[in-house]
Amino acid sequence: KAGVTQTPRYLIKTRGQQVTLSCSPISGHRSVSWYQQTPGQGLQFLFEYFSETQRNKGNFPGRFSGRQFSNSRSEMNVSTLELGDSALYLCASSPGTGSYNEQFFGPGTRLTVL
Amino acid sequence: AQSVAQPEDQVNVAEGNPLTVKCTYSVSGNPYLFWYVQYPNRGLQFLLKYITGDNLVKGSYGFEAEFNKSQTSFHLKKPSALVSDSALYFCAVRDPPTGKLIFGQGTTLQVKP
Repeated sequence: KAGVTQTPRYLIKTRGQQVTLSCSPISGHRSVSWYQQTPGQGLQFLFEYFSETQRNKGNFPGRFSGRQFSNSRSEMNVSTLELGDSALYLCASSPGTGSYNEQFFGPGTRLTVL
Repeated sequence: AQSVAQPEDQVNVAEGNPLTVKCTYSVSGNPYLFWYVQYPNRGLQFLLKYITGDNLVKGSYGFEAEFNKSQTSFHLKKPSALVSDSALYFCAVRDPPTGKLIFGQGTTLQVKP
């Protein structure tokens, strides 16, 4: 099976712009989660989607949003970019929402905000 | 609230020697514990998990982890380290109410020839 794919891999934006990141989960996986990784804060949970519904959301401002499509593909959007949004954004998929399920991660999108 | 701690920022071992990367956890209820590895400019790769059952869990690439309930630890181990094992290792616990993974701060493993 193909792994989790994320596009684009690298992105450079300026403050105030908005950005959309895309994630395609492993075939058959219906749960998609997003994480932000920074040197200072480590790995932090953004949100999780299952069957096109947001199940959970982390402690991020409303500028961070996401959605999931009927084919389980997911997008996240960050509006009004700030310098502090520079990070590696990781998408992870799993077959379901059970706590026993491991999550499989994509390679990430490296976002740089200038 | 669930949390994990990785007390060492970096672990250095010589190739061929055994390695241990430490992780302690704090959870309410049953722990769902995971280890991931991250190579430079890559995402996280799943190594192994503990859900229930045997305290010694075997995973990918020759890694194993020992679950110790009394010490609330879940240390990652490998009998013989390889230079290619050099990477950033994360311990994580699943938070059942939210489903999210809560990660430790990560431990850099450096294996020297």
